[in-house]
Amino acid sequence: DIQMTQSPSSLSASVGDRVTIPCRASQSISSYLNWYQQKPGKAPKLLIYAASSLQSGVPSRFSGSGSGTEFTLTISSLQPEDFATYYCQQSYSTPRTFGQGTKVEIK
Amino acid sequence: QVQLQESGPGLVKPSETLSLTCTVSGGSITSYYWSWIRQPAGKGLEWIGRIYTTGSTNYNPSLKSRVTMSVDTSKNQFSLNLRSVTAADTAVYYCARGFCGGDCRLDYWGQGTLVTVSS
Repeated sequence: DIQMTQSPSSLSASVGDRVTIPCRASQSISSYLNWYQQKPGKAPKLLIYAASSLQSGVPSRFSGSGSGTEFTLTISSLQPEDFATYYCQQSYSTPRTFGQGTKVEIK
Repeated sequence: QVQLQESGPGLVKPSETLSLTCTVSGGSITSYYWSWIRQPAGKGLEWIGRIYTTGSTNYNPSLKSRVTMSVDTSKNQFSLNLRSVTAADTAVYYCARGFCGGDCRLDYWGQGTLVTVSS
């Protein structure tokens, strides 16, 4: 199985901050990397697919980059509704695997 | 707008079978992958497996010996059976649509249903 690592598990930021969330794969996954946002009590929501493609309806302040084993989700200007947990997920092979999540908290 | 809704018992006894159904509305079930993902309280997401509308399946090896998935295209539904459950199977279970166009992503999710394994 491909291991996905997200570190840190949480970070604190203020409204308006630029936030970057890293994700590392245990082997090269090309650009087969998705990002999801999950708020408490809700299902995950797809933000970014294929490492850098913005899902329809997702605000443009979200962007993704990377390939191979190193990936980043960036929020250019953090908004109050962005406080949530973010998961990366590889779609290179089965079983699909998720990172442990990074919780973005209010500073 | 595609919507998914999980249904099934919220309480299952140890050693019994967990059975869930996901009903898809607002779109066709054909030509997509349909996945199950679970999340224990306070923990991360675990992919259980997926089924294509032809019936072809991929299961997580960690659960493969206990999992069966099926699809009923006439009802726009797909299902999960997890046998011989223990307390470790207590989780929120999500169904999701897998769209594959070169890459694959889970673009629509159900709201999730909590399944507790307890006697």
